[in-house]
Amino acid sequence: KNQVEQSPQSLIILEGKNCTLQCNYTVSPFSNLRWYKQDTGRGPVSLTIMTFSENTKSNGRYTATLDADTKQSSLHITASQLSDSASYICVVSDRGSTLGRLYFGRGTQLTVWP
Amino acid sequence: KAGVTQTPRYLIKTRGQQVTLSCSPISGHRSVSWYQQTPGQGLQFLFEYFSETQRNKGNFPGRFSGRQFSNSRSEMNVSTLELGDSALYLCASSLGRSGLDSPLHFGNGTRLTVT
Repeated sequence: KNQVEQSPQSLIILEGKNCTLQCNYTVSPFSNLRWYKQDTGRGPVSLTIMTFSENTKSNGRYTATLDADTKQSSLHITASQLSDSASYICVVSDRGSTLGRLYFGRGTQLTVWP
Repeated sequence: KAGVTQTPRYLIKTRGQQVTLSCSPISGHRSVSWYQQTPGQGLQFLFEYFSETQRNKGNFPGRFSGRQFSNSRSEMNVSTLELGDSALYLCASSLGRSGLDSPLHFGNGTRLTVT
């Protein structure tokens, strides 16, 4: 069964600190993995997209890694800011018979305290 | 460039009624996909339209339907509403098919409450 699991479910850190969010998936055949940031009351915003051949991609203070062999990804946030408080969602796409089916993790709720 | 626009922003309906939600994609985007988001289940894929044809469908009952017009605008319809249909409904557009390498651009959603 194709699944995407994220951990931790929630996380509280102090402003200025770094943190790492995890995403494990069983989706096969794999097409790409995406990280989205969703602020409360808003739609998700794309942070990164990685295909099979990419193992690191950065977007400002956000760095995503992908290990396609172990089917794991992480999102590292450097020097956190209050505006980083949001839900971070991992999304994996397959490349099966129904091309481009998307599978969503339930997200990690990050809270940054001053 | 204007982003994805969803209307209405909030909606309150009673059980048994039907509802139609609207989504205007980013200009030039041909793919529109719909998602249901609830606290318990997270984001769940409803369906995707590309060039006016439904290309992919999630595991939702037939009460959930949609369509896409020639200008890529899309509507989603839910008939015979149930309490469990209360959720945030998100629409996303992309240049190519949603599952390929194009990023999804989400609207801010329609918050549907069924009483």
